[in-house]
Amino acid sequence: AQKITQTQPGMFVQEKEAVTLDCTYDTSDPSYGLFWYKQPSSGEMIFLIYQGSYDQQNATEGRYSLNFQKARKSANLVISASQLGDSAMYFCAMKETSYDKVIFGPGTSLSVIP
Amino acid sequence: NAGVTQTPKFRVLKTGQSMTLLCAQDMNHEYMYWYRQDPGMGLRLIHYSVGEGTTAKGEVPDGYNVSRLKKQNFLLGLESAAPSQTSVYFCASSYPTGRLALTYEQYFGPGTRLTVT
Repeated sequence: AQKITQTQPGMFVQEKEAVTLDCTYDTSDPSYGLFWYKQPSSGEMIFLIYQGSYDQQNATEGRYSLNFQKARKSANLVISASQLGDSAMYFCAMKETSYDKVIFGPGTSLSVIP
Repeated sequence: NAGVTQTPKFRVLKTGQSMTLLCAQDMNHEYMYWYRQDPGMGLRLIHYSVGEGTTAKGEVPDGYNVSRLKKQNFLLGLESAAPSQTSVYFCASSYPTGRLALTYEQYFGPGTRLTVT
């Protein structure tokens, strides 16, 4: 069964510093995709980054990178040079090829301190 | 190009009342989803659809029904609302692409805030 764990309910980071948000997952499917979404206080869901289980390199999108450790089943999001606008909820999600569902973790609240 | 829209944005219901939430997308996406979001629990999948005329149950389907009569619309119904259904409801759509159809960015609607008293 699919399961996503985000063990950090709340995180603080100083502006301009880097921060890592943890995500671990559980799956028996050899093929799957991992996603991170951002939800600011305004409520919309914003897609950030995607990593496929067969991708050889870690995904990067601007200041976002995904530290993918397949053997440990972890897909941590790294935000470099944090900005005040990065303060938001961050959700990790997964889709297996065997299923059409996308499952989300409980989220991590990130607060960037000036 | 409006993307994904949800109607209504806010609603207050009394216990036992019924209502339908409408999700519409203009991106010709095959897949559509309904989630509910509660504090500390992230997004939980209620029902989803992989194409016109098809629906399937997600993680928390009880108390909800859905229909996908047209490709662009996905309706979520509450037949007899309960206070436990107070939540923010998100609709999403996607068109799987890439290797093994896994590249799967979901486009979300703005959400519907439902309160059941």
